[in-house]
Amino acid sequence: GAVVSQHPSRVICKSGTSVKIECRSLDFQATTMFWYRQFPKKSLMLMATSNEGSKATYEQGVEKDKFLINHASLTLSTLTVTSAHPEDSSFYICSARDPTGPFTEAFFGQGTRLTVV
Amino acid sequence: ILNVEQSPQSLHVQEGDSTNFTCSFPSSNFYALHWYRWETAKSPEALFVMTLNGDEKKKGRISATLNTKEGYSYLYIKGSQPEDSATYLCAFWSGYALNFGKGTSLLVTP
Repeated sequence: GAVVSQHPSRVICKSGTSVKIECRSLDFQATTMFWYRQFPKKSLMLMATSNEGSKATYEQGVEKDKFLINHASLTLSTLTVTSAHPEDSSFYICSARDPTGPFTEAFFGQGTRLTVV
Repeated sequence: ILNVEQSPQSLHVQEGDSTNFTCSFPSSNFYALHWYRWETAKSPEALFVMTLNGDEKKKGRISATLNTKEGYSYLYIKGSQPEDSATYLCAFWSGYALNFGKGTSLLVTP
């Protein structure tokens, strides 16, 4: 099946610094990628939809200036957590769908565990 | 945010037991219902994508049913094995993104 690669898998950063997370579709072109966040014992929550060549669409309550999304090519989307704070510590995971059909499965990256100290 | 509920939250069964869990979702404007299996330290992997009311899909010992009119889906595992231990996620496709439940965490002990 299709593969989505996410990097890094784990990162620890100091409060106030920025962290970039990459999500790549390895064998298909993803015009749309999705970024999710999961806090302990909670659901995967959609943060934003990343659209190739255009601005991302953010869900209500997600600060677009804090979570910068860039989808510059059909195989790469990046999420940058700017000026990270301890409350941003969470599990972030991206997904993409092979766009050849309306009801195809989603493929997920491995996720990134972010800890802000 | 579309409300997707899964129950139970966790389940512990013995090897060989059969088990099932539930996913409930909005019954209006239905597009598709996905089931994923998420093992620790791995990416979630798709089990089923279900689109039609009354759909029943099967993959080995795992099967799923779909009722779009009442907004629920069941996932069944027959003869559970330790390797079935994982979190099982269902997700409702809204037309542009997947909305996930919290998952059912299954532990199968020998």
